[in-house]
Amino acid sequence: ETAVFQTPNYHVTQVGNEVSFNCKQTLGHDTMYWYKQDSKKLLKIMFSYNNKQLIVNETVPRRFSPQSSDKAHLNLRIKSVEPEDSAVYLCASSAKDRGNTEVFFGKGTRLTVV
Amino acid sequence: AQKVTQTQTSISVMEKTTVTMDCVYETQDSSYFLFWYKQTASGEIVFLIRQDSYKKENATVGHYSLNFQKPKSSIGLIITATQIEDSAVYFCAMRELSGSFNKLTFGAGTRLAVCP
Repeated sequence: ETAVFQTPNYHVTQVGNEVSFNCKQTLGHDTMYWYKQDSKKLLKIMFSYNNKQLIVNETVPRRFSPQSSDKAHLNLRIKSVEPEDSAVYLCASSAKDRGNTEVFFGKGTRLTVV
Repeated sequence: AQKVTQTQTSISVMEKTTVTMDCVYETQDSSYFLFWYKQTASGEIVFLIRQDSYKKENATVGHYSLNFQKPKSSIGLIITATQIEDSAVYFCAMRELSGSFNKLTFGAGTRLAVCP
């Protein structure tokens, strides 16, 4: 049963536009993440965030930024999208930010940049 | 740096048989955690099973089990009595105990097709 909710499911936009994706988790977890899955199904972490610390993968372009109002929400904003941003963006959460804790994923937001 | 490699891009098996999916990893840490996830056709990623590096016993959950060979840095996923609904992409992943950036590093995935 899904407990990490993402909206929208799909989004099509033009190069240069700004987009924002929402994510909410109802698991009471302390840590949330954004992952990017490309057309070859490769999964790469973009951000890791808990109520204490935001950690950014150094390969993520600066036009991407996470936004959090509380520990249950972590949105993703892309300031000026580019064609290579077309991908599925997966939000996830875990009880802790380390160790053997499982990560729970949302169903993803598919972004198409035209 | 940690790295996870799944060399099998796709596997096709008959229903009710047993399948093994391979995964090898690289890490400098003495303690780490290995996970297998399944991504269904709808895109949903679901956690299946976990192996802690300090445990010698292979983990088992339902019809999923692991073949953990620490000296070979290998963690194979075994699915017994496969069902049509096991058709999916399977990802191996690893998290190190230490490190400044808590991340789950994924392999490239293995697509499993279970045929009737």
